[in-house]
Amino acid sequence: GAVVSQHPSRVICKSGTSVKIECRSLDFQATTMFWYRQFPKQSLMLMATSNEGSKATYEQGVEKDKFLINHASLTLSTLTVTSAHPEDSSFYICSARPVAVTEAFFGQGTRLTVV
Amino acid sequence: GQQVMQIPQYQHVQEGEDFTTYCNSSTTLSNIQWYKQRPGGHPVFLIQLVKSGEVKKQKRLTFQFGEAKKNSSLHITATQTTDVGTYFCAGFSGGSNYKLTFGKGTLLTVNP
Repeated sequence: GAVVSQHPSRVICKSGTSVKIECRSLDFQATTMFWYRQFPKQSLMLMATSNEGSKATYEQGVEKDKFLINHASLTLSTLTVTSAHPEDSSFYICSARPVAVTEAFFGQGTRLTVV
Repeated sequence: GQQVMQIPQYQHVQEGEDFTTYCNSSTTLSNIQWYKQRPGGHPVFLIQLVKSGEVKKQKRLTFQFGEAKKNSSLHITATQTTDVGTYFCAGFSGGSNYKLTFGKGTLLTVNP
């Protein structure tokens, strides 16, 4: 199956700093990638849809200026958590799909801890 | 907006018992997908159901899609400890962005 790689898997940062998370589709091109946030023992909350070459589409309640998404190529999307606060600590997961395929392939996730 | 309800939220079984999780969508779906997330891991695609009334099997797992394409179920026969994890359904209603709406998931724990 298709492979999506997410990096880093874990990151600890200080309050007020920014953290960049990368999501790469390794063996296919992805015009669309999705960013989710998952709290412990809860479901996946869609944060935004990342569109290659255009602006991301954010879900209601998600701050665009805080969660910056860039999808500069067909294989890479990045999520930058700016001015991180402890409440931003969470598990962030990206997903992507090859063209004409509807199932999603997930990255390994990034466990962000803001101290 | 579209909502996908999934029950139960938790299920604890003895090894060898059966397990079922149910999903219900507020709108008719183009397809429904099922994912499994092991503790500490990421969701992994299991299967996709597209046709009304469709039934698919993967070894001990049986997936059903309702006639109205609004509900689905996953049944595991004779659970094993390797079945532990959270099972999510995800509905797709169509659209060029292929956005999935996930249920809240059912956490399955199996007592050996």
